[in-house]
Amino acid sequence: NAGVMQNPRHLVRRRGQEARLRCSPMKGHSHVYWYRQLPEEGLKFMVYLQKENIIDESGMPKERFSAEFPKEGPSILRIQQVVRGDSAAYFCASSSTGLNTEAFFGQGTRLTVV
Amino acid sequence: EDQVTQSPEALRLQEGESSSLNCSYTVSGLRGLFWYRQDPGKGPEFLFTLYSAGEEKEKERLKATLTKKESFLHITAPKPEDSATYLCAFDNNAGNMLTFGGGTRLMVKP
Repeated sequence: NAGVMQNPRHLVRRRGQEARLRCSPMKGHSHVYWYRQLPEEGLKFMVYLQKENIIDESGMPKERFSAEFPKEGPSILRIQQVVRGDSAAYFCASSSTGLNTEAFFGQGTRLTVV
Repeated sequence: EDQVTQSPEALRLQEGESSSLNCSYTVSGLRGLFWYRQDPGKGPEFLFTLYSAGEEKEKERLKATLTKKESFLHITAPKPEDSATYLCAFDNNAGNMLTFGGGTRLMVKP
């Protein structure tokens, strides 16, 4: 049973470009969470999605950030017009129940904005 | 405001030197208290979930306990491969996410 798969593992973007981060949850999991870990800071919740629905986006910056989890395919976190402050590790987690019981994390995508 | 604080920020131990990591929390409507291990460059790895005061769970050299205000991660006779950052987090009734503490970076010297 493959774990949570994130790609790419490393992503370099120039200021002003778009970044697309992908997350495939564990088999049988329909709940996906995105977290951001800034350098020297803790993990911060961004958004919680179920298939085709955004359930809670209270941690998402109001501008430039969006997320989706389509009926088919991986969940996508999209950052438009990236700035240096977006450089961070972005982690995706999935669970089967949506109650955060045993949410499993992927290895993360490390975004560097140059 | 619900919050969680971990101490110490960093801990150096000699191999075999047992110790405890602390996670203090102020949470209304606690649904679960979670412990994760994170190695450099990797994602958090799930260790334990505790749901009620008095509950204890063990896995190899690790034991997690929970009171109404704190959780402890006890490490018995640690080995160098136990070196990692240990994160605690809570899930409450108000939201749909885990709220993480800042972590304790554990270094075990041979």
